[in-house]
Amino acid sequence: TQLLEQSPQFLSIQEGENLTVYCNSSSVFSSLQWYRQEPGEGPVLLVTVVTGGEVKKLKRLTFQFGDARKDSSLHITAAQPGDTGLYLCAGGRSGGYNKLIFGAGTRLAVHP
Amino acid sequence: GAGVSQSPRYKVAKRGQDVALRCDPISGHVSLFWYQQALGQGPEFLTYFQNEAQLDKSGLPSDRFFAERPEGSVSTLKIQRTQQEDSAVYLCASSSQAFSYNEQFFGPGTRLTVL
Repeated sequence: TQLLEQSPQFLSIQEGENLTVYCNSSSVFSSLQWYRQEPGEGPVLLVTVVTGGEVKKLKRLTFQFGDARKDSSLHITAAQPGDTGLYLCAGGRSGGYNKLIFGAGTRLAVHP
Repeated sequence: GAGVSQSPRYKVAKRGQDVALRCDPISGHVSLFWYQQALGQGPEFLTYFQNEAQLDKSGLPSDRFFAERPEGSVSTLKIQRTQQEDSAVYLCASSSQAFSYNEQFFGPGTRLTVL
């Protein structure tokens, strides 16, 4: 059972285009993390959001946590080939250790 | 190296063989997680250690899976009598503290193929 649904599954765009990736759930999470994974490597953390409605910016990447803490989005402005990779969202529950529940990921390809 | 390392990077096993996957976390990290990532999927939680204590093993698929971290540093994930459905990438992650929101640092994974 995939508690976190990511869409789209695949995205192929040209350099310079904007894109948004979505992460949705029927469950409430105390935190939401976004990771990027390259082939043959483990996921690398991009951002953590913990407050409903929170918006964080990381250069050309904008992350938003839904008001009800059930969904999140990742927006990339002026995508570059270096943005190519698998983007994973992961929800955490409150209390104790950070046991993560991952979505299936969005595979992004940015073509020059 | 300062990151999480895993060995072997690739393992091919015949069905029924036992395998052992090793994880070297970042030195001093209290928390250690194991995840299983099937092809085209996100990682799925297997088990969690806080120092040497295995506090959560709710994600282990069957009693063929066993993990240990006897001295609170290196961890080993053992799979007995491997089956084809065990084929996946096994990721290890460590974190400096035991609290929520802490960043987990992932290793490169071990790709297990069961023939």
